Amino acid sequence: GQSLEQPSEVTAVEGAIVQINCTYQTSGFYGLSWYQQHDGGAPTFLSYNALDGLEETGRFSSFLSRSDSYGYLLLQELQMKDSASYFCAVRVRYSGAGSYQLTFGKGTKLSVIP
Amino acid sequence: EAGVAQSPRYKIIEKRQSVAFWCNPISGHATLYWYQQILGQGPKLLIQFQNNGVVDDSQLPKDRFSAERLKGVDSTLKIQPAKLEDSAVYLCASSFKLSPGASEAFFGQGTRLTVV
Repeated sequence: GQSLEQPSEVTAVEGAIVQINCTYQTSGFYGLSWYQQHDGGAPTFLSYNALDGLEETGRFSSFLSRSDSYGYLLLQELQMKDSASYFCAVRVRYSGAGSYQLTFGKGTKLSVIP
Repeated sequence: EAGVAQSPRYKIIEKRQSVAFWCNPISGHATLYWYQQILGQGPKLLIQFQNNGVVDDSQLPKDRFSAERLKGVDSTLKIQPAKLEDSAVYLCASSFKLSPGASEAFFGQGTRLTVV
């Protein structure tokens, strides 16, 4: 099976930078994804790392260290609209199925305050 | 491009009743997922289809839950009989082909089920 650990809640000030960490334990690991979910909304894709290093998409960046089974999501220039839950998710390959599973962590609730 | 469509958006039923949810994935997406999301938790995979075949249903409570994907397009998830602990949001997602170089999973708005 898979297990993912991320902080349950984070609070940060508007305009600041926040980092949300994720550690995972799994076999057949292929990559780490990040999703954002506003209250009552659907999860939406933010980023994906298959290789070690940093991926940058606008104000959001994501990092992966495969040797440490660790990744993080970095949000810069925080805005009030960034208040949401953020989930890390591991992609694991199904043996012999030619398909991949997407398993989510429990999520980090980010509150951005003025 | 139309997104993943789900219906109904909300459903309230009494325990021991049955309920069905419908999902229409994005056109051309071969992979379809049903997730259960209990309030305050992350989505938990119930079943994954590749075209009309089941790839993984290891976390589906098969004594009460069933799902099908006829013709590899639309899918239906059914609960019979429902229990109080089934109260959750049921999310359907689809992807063209979830692989390292392919697109991510796209989620529908979900069906919020309340069992009373």
